[in-house]
Amino acid sequence: EAQVTQNPRYLITVTGKKLTVTCSQNMNHEYMSWYRQDPGLGLRQIYYSMNVEVTDKGDVPEGYKVSRKEKRNFPLILESPSPNQTSLYFCASSPPLGRDTNTDTQYFGPGTRLTVL
Amino acid sequence: AQKVTQAQTEISVVEKEDVTLDCVYETRDTTYYLFWYKQPPSGELVFLIRRNSFDEQNEISGRYSWNFQKSTSSFNFTITASQVVDSAVYFCALSDPPQTQMEYGNKLVFGAGTILRVKS
Repeated sequence: EAQVTQNPRYLITVTGKKLTVTCSQNMNHEYMSWYRQDPGLGLRQIYYSMNVEVTDKGDVPEGYKVSRKEKRNFPLILESPSPNQTSLYFCASSPPLGRDTNTDTQYFGPGTRLTVL
Repeated sequence: AQKVTQAQTEISVVEKEDVTLDCVYETRDTTYYLFWYKQPPSGELVFLIRRNSFDEQNEISGRYSWNFQKSTSSFNFTITASQVVDSAVYFCALSDPPQTQMEYGNKLVFGAGTILRVKS
């Protein structure tokens, strides 16, 4: 089954304690990205990656890091989490636009609800 | 810059009523895609539809229909005969593919979402 998995699904942590949210896809997609969802703001892109070892900032990258050492994995790293990073996080992957013409072009993970105290 | 506006923060209807969720977008691109997603209380994002900028035909899928009008930059979503299971947050989104991202995937620009509450 084609899917994007994220772990953990729920996390409560304290300010300054480094954490990693993992993301993995089994569809051999080149493109992966991270979004955060906040009330009244919708989803906003944090970082994206076009392929292994190729990453770039999205709209709200401050306080986050990513890496793409393998095609299937795209972890999100919070080196020193702060309360304003409390949010719902989604990982997504997509094929090149030319391939999927009649379906969604983003495959979203189930979400990770993060609380930073 | 690309922008998506969902002016309705929250809508409440009674079951079996029809309801329309509005979406207005801004883009300078001539090629773009528009999407609707549903987020039920469980939190996952459920894809509903994708529409490209060259196809202005209205779409109907069961109780759902979409009206795409380039002249007014709108992509509205109508649920006919609403049901309690339709209660969710609905997001409209616009693909924002800078040249470098076009080949490999696409970034989505989301609206703020509309909370739909359907009461029995």
